[in-house]
Amino acid sequence: NAGVMQNPRHLVRRRGQEARLRCSPMKGHSHVYWYRQLPEEGLKFMVYLQKENIIDESGMPKERFSAEFPKEGPSILRIQQVVRGDSAAYFCASSQLGAGSNTEAFFGQGTRLTVV
Amino acid sequence: GIQVEQSPPDLILQEGANSTLRCNFSDSVNNLQWFHQNPWGQLINLFYIPSGTKQNGRLSATTVATERYSLLYISSSQTTDSGVYFCAVEPFAGNNRKLIWGLGTSLAVNP
Repeated sequence: NAGVMQNPRHLVRRRGQEARLRCSPMKGHSHVYWYRQLPEEGLKFMVYLQKENIIDESGMPKERFSAEFPKEGPSILRIQQVVRGDSAAYFCASSQLGAGSNTEAFFGQGTRLTVV
Repeated sequence: GIQVEQSPPDLILQEGANSTLRCNFSDSVNNLQWFHQNPWGQLINLFYIPSGTKQNGRLSATTVATERYSLLYISSSQTTDSGVYFCAVEPFAGNNRKLIWGLGTSLAVNP
């Protein structure tokens, strides 16, 4: 059973370019979360999605950032017109909410974005 | 919003030593997880422990939800235990499933 898969592992973009980060949740999981980690800090929540729905995007910057989780395919975090301050590790997590409401989240290996 | 505080911020151990890491949180929670972030940045699930005590090999954890804290015990530490240990909580607030993270305890185990 594959875990949460993120790609690419490393991404380098020049200022002003677009970054697209992909996340495939664990099999059977229908809830996806994106977090950002700056150097030597804890993770900060960005957005929570279910299939075709954004449930909570309170942690995502209003401009340049968007996320989707289509009916088919991976979840995408998109950053337009990247700036140096966007350099960080971006983690995706997934969880399964069954009858017992186990909300344990499992994380991918992250995408390390560097803006030059 | 809910605050998550971890202590100590840094810890240096000799191989074989035991340690206790603490996580305090300021409000009721649905969920609490402990993670280990290894030197390569990978996040590894250690415990899903909203309450009670669990053990997994040399690691164990206890959460006392009524007193709003959790403890992670590492016994007979090994160099591979090095890295950052994070506590993350899911606030008890409606249908929101997001995790709020502490700043972590950075552990170095020396041979």
